[in-house]
Amino acid sequence: EDQVTQSPEALRLQEGESSSLNCSYTVSGLRGLFWYRQDPGKGPEFLFTLYSAGEEKEKERLKATLTKKESFLHITAPKPEDSATYLCAPRDDKIIFGKGTRLHILP
Amino acid sequence: DGGITQSPKYLFRKEGQNVTLSCEQNLNHDAMYWYRQDPGQGLRLIYYSQIVNDFQKGDIAEGYSVSREKKESFPLTVTSAQKNPTAFYLCASSGQGWYQPQHFGDGTRLSIL
Repeated sequence: EDQVTQSPEALRLQEGESSSLNCSYTVSGLRGLFWYRQDPGKGPEFLFTLYSAGEEKEKERLKATLTKKESFLHITAPKPEDSATYLCAPRDDKIIFGKGTRLHILP
Repeated sequence: DGGITQSPKYLFRKEGQNVTLSCEQNLNHDAMYWYRQDPGQGLRLIYYSQIVNDFQKGDIAEGYSVSREKKESFPLTVTSAQKNPTAFYLCASSGQGWYQPQHFGDGTRLSIL
C-alpha cells in the first residue's frame, strides 16, 4: 500500500534557526513529488515539483530535495511569516498527501 | 486573476439536509478534484473529473455526489447519507498530464447544526 509519512508532526524554531522537514514515502512508481504550504483556514499553496532522485528546487528560504525514498524541505534562516503547515504529496497514478508538518517560527 | 473560487466559506447543515458546495475555476484546467481535510489527517479524495460530463469516485465517495456540466464548475453535494460531514472541503484543479500540480481554492468549512 502506498504510504506517506511526514516528520516531525510539529516543529518550533527561533527566527533564523535553520532546519529540515522530512517526507518519507513508499510509492511503487514515483512520477513526481509535490510540496505545498497551507496557512490556517486556507487551501494549500503549491511550492515545488520534484521529478527524479537528485533533483533540487529553491524558492527564497526554502529548498526541496528528493531521493528514491525521501524528500526534504530545508528552511534556511526562517522568518515568522514562514510559519505554516507544509504538505508533501508523492504521485504514481494518483497523488497521496501526507498529514503535514506544522512549522512555527518564533520572533 | 486566475484562480479557484469556493463558496460559501462557512456552511451549516441541519440533520437530514443535502447541501451543495460551489467550486469555480478560471484557469482553463481540464481536471478538477474534491478533497476532505480532517484534523490530523491528510487530504482524502472524494471525487475527481478529468473532463466535462465525466467524473470518478475517489477514496471516500459514499454520501457525496458531483456533477461536471461545465469545464469551469464542479459542485459537490453532501447528502444526508454522509453521517459525519463536519470537515474542511477543498476543491482543486490541474492541467492534463501527471506532472501538473493541483491548485487549490480556499475551502469551505461545513458544520452540523
